[in-house]
Amino acid sequence: DVKVTQSSRYLVKRTGEKVFLECVQDMDHENMFWYRQDPGLGLRLIYFSYDVKMKEKGDIPEGYSVSREKKERFSLILESASTSQTSMYLCASSDPLAGGPRDEQFFGPGTRLTVL
Amino acid sequence: AQSVTQLGSHVSVSEGALVLLRCNYSSSVPPYLFWYVQYPNQGLQLLLKYTTGATLVKGINGFEAEFKKSETSFHLTKPSAHMSDAAEYFCAVSRRTASKLTFGTGTRLQVTL
Repeated sequence: DVKVTQSSRYLVKRTGEKVFLECVQDMDHENMFWYRQDPGLGLRLIYFSYDVKMKEKGDIPEGYSVSREKKERFSLILESASTSQTSMYLCASSDPLAGGPRDEQFFGPGTRLTVL
Repeated sequence: AQSVTQLGSHVSVSEGALVLLRCNYSSSVPPYLFWYVQYPNQGLQLLLKYTTGATLVKGINGFEAEFKKSETSFHLTKPSAHMSDAAEYFCAVSRRTASKLTFGTGTRLQVTL
């Protein structure tokens, strides 16, 4: 089974701190994604990556950056955390060459980040 | 650009009743459509997807959805609700499978006795 793991389920940080959210997938997927989930807004794409060292902005990249030094790991970085970044963060991965039932995005359990 | 509209942020049904969750999409290219479910404190799980071919798609846990191009809709149904179906459901669209998803705002399904 595909497994997408996120480094923390719950995280509490202070305004101005630099925050790292880590995501690791074990299926050699090329595509990785970071979404944030907020009540009433659904999931919104922050950044995504189609290959190592490649990244593309999603719909709401402001205040975030990403790093993908290895294929299995995709990190989301909050350079200076703000209270508006309190949210649930979900990582996902997918294989663009997969077919049939494996042709989907697989999600991690999420990290609930609170910025005080 | 693509977008998804889910009508009804909260839907309540009785156990055994029909479940109908509505999803309309906008896309300038033939869409790939998905329904995901999220149980409390968990990530998202794929229920079903439409890519090409048959417009009636069957998924897990007895759910199905029908792609209607003329109505730009992809509504999710289940003939008989079960208490375990209580969760939040998200409709999503993409340009191709395994690509970035654009989600709707979600519908929380409550199932009552």
